[in-house]
Amino acid sequence: QQQVKQSPQSLIVQKGGISIINCAYENTAFDYFPWYQQFPGKGPALLIAIRPDVSEKKEGRFTISFNKSAKQFSLHIMDSQPGDSATYFCAASYNNNDMRFGAGTRLTVKP
Amino acid sequence: DGGITQSPKYLFRKEGQNVTLSCEQNLNHDAMYWYRQDPGQGLRLIYYSQIVNDFQKGDIAEGYSVSREKKESFPLTVTSAQKNPTAFYLCASSLRGAANEKLFFGSGTQLSVL
Repeated sequence: QQQVKQSPQSLIVQKGGISIINCAYENTAFDYFPWYQQFPGKGPALLIAIRPDVSEKKEGRFTISFNKSAKQFSLHIMDSQPGDSATYFCAASYNNNDMRFGAGTRLTVKP
Repeated sequence: DGGITQSPKYLFRKEGQNVTLSCEQNLNHDAMYWYRQDPGQGLRLIYYSQIVNDFQKGDIAEGYSVSREKKESFPLTVTSAQKNPTAFYLCASSLRGAANEKLFFGSGTQLSVL
């Protein structure tokens, strides 16, 4: 059963715009929420991660917003660039052996 | 160059055949994982290993087998019992397999059925 629900399935954004991907989780025991970026034909790579003791984490153009009471978290990509076009996965875990992934969002940034 | 090497990049399986996917890491990581990726779905855990000669089933282990004879290597065999093997298979590793560790992924193997 899917414990992490991700939306939208696909997203098209103009260059310079803001990309927003949302995830919701069910298991309140989750305490680690990473985002992975995957380019076609490649394995995912860790982009940014957050713990539930903070509500926001920013690294460059990438920001995670976390709402513990709503059991939701989101990825914001500011000033989106064509090179950001990839599939993004949210995930949640309380130990590495039980990491649950969302279904993925295919982002296309148009020039 | 440190990392995870998966081979082959593409693999074709005939009906009734077992095939083995290779995964090698030179990161000196204790923990290794196999995930299956299907279009429109998240990654699902097949098997994981935190130490040599020990491994545990993930959510979808049926029809798969693994071995961990060396720290660097974690091959996955897709057996004939796996009736729907077509998928993208990803190998990953982490330092100790503890909570909140970064997963390092290989570039994957696309398995298709002839």
